[in-house]
Amino acid sequence: EIVLTQSPGTLSLSPGERATLSCRASQIFNSNWLTWYQQKPGQAPSLLIYAASTRATGVPDRFSGSASGTDFTLTIDRVEPEDFGVYFCQQYGVSLTFGGGTKVQI
Amino acid sequence: QVQLVQSGAEVKKPGASVKVSCQTSGYTFTDQYLHWVRQAPGQGLQWMGWINPKTGGTHSTRILRDRVSLTMDTSISTIYLELSGLRSDDTAIYYCARDSPVLAIKGFDVWGQGTRITVSS
Repeated sequence: EIVLTQSPGTLSLSPGERATLSCRASQIFNSNWLTWYQQKPGQAPSLLIYAASTRATGVPDRFSGSASGTDFTLTIDRVEPEDFGVYFCQQYGVSLTFGGGTKVQI
Repeated sequence: QVQLVQSGAEVKKPGASVKVSCQTSGYTFTDQYLHWVRQAPGQGLQWMGWINPKTGGTHSTRILRDRVSLTMDTSISTIYLELSGLRSDDTAIYYCARDSPVLAIKGFDVWGQGTRITVSS
C-alpha cells in the first residue's frame, strides 16, 4: 500500500499569505495518479488539482501543484478567506489511498 | 447536472449492520465506477471500496473486506454500502463518490452529501 504523509497537520495563516502544503509518498509512483481535494466544514471534499499539477475546472490560478519524486506540493498564493479548510492528497494508481490532511486556518 | 443523493443519518448499536444508499442522476449510471469513502469525526478520509456499475464487480479495502458488502440496483441507478458487525470506531460520515469521466483525472469529480452513521450503545 502506498502511504501518503501530509504536513504540516495544521497551517495557521493570514489572508494574503502563501500556503505550502506537502504530501510525501512511501514509494515513487506516476505523478498523474496524484489528486488534491479541498474540504470545507460540513461539506464533502471537492476536486482541486489532478495529475499533480492541473487545476480542475473553476479552480482559481492562485492554486498550483507540483511534484518531485515522492514529494508533492500544493501551493496557495495569497490565501483568501474562502480557502480555509482541510486539504487532502490522494493517489489512485496502486489501489487508492488518501493522506491525513492539512488544515489551513486563520 | 450530475448528482449523488445519499440516505439519511442512522444510529446503530454495536454489532448491528447498516445499509447506506446513494442514488445517482444526471449521467449514464453504468459509465463510471462509484466509490465509498468514510470520515471519522475530526479525522481524514478512508477509502472503503468501489463498485463497477457496468458489471457489478466490486473491490474493497483489505481491512474492511470481511464486513463490507457493495451492491447496486441498476433499475434505480443506486448503489448500496452495507457494513456489518458495527463498532464504535465505525462512527463516521460515509460518502459515495464518482470516478471522473475525464481520463486524465484519477480521482472523484462528484460526491454525495454524506451520511452520518453513529454507533452507540
